Amino acid sequence: EAGVAQSPRYKIIEKRQSVAFWCNPISGHATLYWYQQILGQGPKLLIQFQNNGVVDDSQLPKDRFSAERLKGVDSTLKIQPAKLEDSAVYLCASTTFIGGTEEGTQYFGPGTRLTVL
Amino acid sequence: QKEVEQNSGPLSVPEGAIASLNCTYSDRGSQSFFWYRQYSGKSPELIMSIYSNGDKEDGRFTAQLNKASQYVSLLIRDSQPSDSATYLCAVKKQGGKLIFGQGTELSVKP
Repeated sequence: EAGVAQSPRYKIIEKRQSVAFWCNPISGHATLYWYQQILGQGPKLLIQFQNNGVVDDSQLPKDRFSAERLKGVDSTLKIQPAKLEDSAVYLCASTTFIGGTEEGTQYFGPGTRLTVL
Repeated sequence: QKEVEQNSGPLSVPEGAIASLNCTYSDRGSQSFFWYRQYSGKSPELIMSIYSNGDKEDGRFTAQLNKASQYVSLLIRDSQPSDSATYLCAVKKQGGKLIFGQGTELSVKP
């Protein structure tokens, strides 16, 4: 079974430029997450999708970040314009279901390491 | 107060010893608790989940949960150098959001 795919793996941009990340979840996984992990910290949830609907985007800086999941499969996360503090690893994860006490295991992709100069 | 708190470490233990990793959380309504391992430059991988008070064992790993004290821990018996990584505690809050601690760096010395 193929894992969560992400691209690109690395990206270096200058501040005020825009950037986009792509995620393809594990086949059949309805729930998709984007996390931001700053060096030395744990992952922070940016946005959660259930199929193509947004479940939680309370920590997404909506003035500069946007995300979509068309057709309930692939997802893209965009930053426009980027700031220095956006330098981080952006992780995509997916799981089979949501709800109840027992959560389906979240499988993480390899991440995209973003450096903003 | 952070929602999920861990000692950042580094925690250094000799090979063969027991490593003890601790985590506290603030949301009393939380029901699901997870330990992830993250090797340097890699993405997190789930190693243990626990939902009920008490202990849960899986091989060399034991997760312990005490909801009254809002405390969850991970014990690694017979620690190996390959266990050297950052261990992330994650708590699923009421409403479903997964909150991660900052992670504890573990170093197992041969």
